[in-house]
Amino acid sequence: DQQVKQNSPSLSVQEGRISILNCDYTNSMFDYFLWYKKYPAEGPTFLISISSIKDKNEDGRFTVFLNKSAKHLSLHIVPSQPGDSAVYFCAAMIQGAQKLVFGQGTRLTINP
Amino acid sequence: DADVTQTPRNRITKTGKRIMLECSQTKGHDRMYWYRQDPGLGLRLIYYSFDVKDINKGEISDGYSVSRQAQAKFSLSLESAIPNQTALYFCATRRSPNTEAFFGQGTRLTVV
Repeated sequence: DQQVKQNSPSLSVQEGRISILNCDYTNSMFDYFLWYKKYPAEGPTFLISISSIKDKNEDGRFTVFLNKSAKHLSLHIVPSQPGDSAVYFCAAMIQGAQKLVFGQGTRLTINP
Repeated sequence: DADVTQTPRNRITKTGKRIMLECSQTKGHDRMYWYRQDPGLGLRLIYYSFDVKDINKGEISDGYSVSRQAQAKFSLSLESAIPNQTALYFCATRRSPNTEAFFGQGTRLTVV
């Protein structure tokens, strides 16, 4: 049972435009959400996170939006740059349980 | 030097062989995790440990065992490797109560 789902395996965006990566979850107990970025031959690296008490968190070009009623979060990257080409994983956790549950990942390609 | 180091980085082994993947960290984190990544399935939790005396099964622990030899070291063993354990394996660490996890560079394991 996939509790965290990223339904788009891949996404292609032109350089300078906005990239929007989506993530859905089924467990209403999740109270913290994170996005990780992964380059080939490297481990995932933390990008940005959001607590369930917020609906938006921004860090430079990256913004995460959380819609609790829809159990949906999204990552916006603007403007997109070639170095943003990577696989992006959405993750969720119940803070008391201390475990991260990951989605399947979305491969983002930024085209010049 | 990487804060979370996995050895080996690549390994090919035969069906039925015992193999150990090692993880060491210099971050001083108490929590350590083993994940595997498969195409289309994202990162799935195998085992996790909150300290040397605390070991917990994740969602896909069958066929695996772990050992937390010290706070800084967490090993994953495949007692009798099988081909469907071919995957990319990641070790991760966290410091409670922070939510961000830090990953190693991964071990690519192929069972033939």
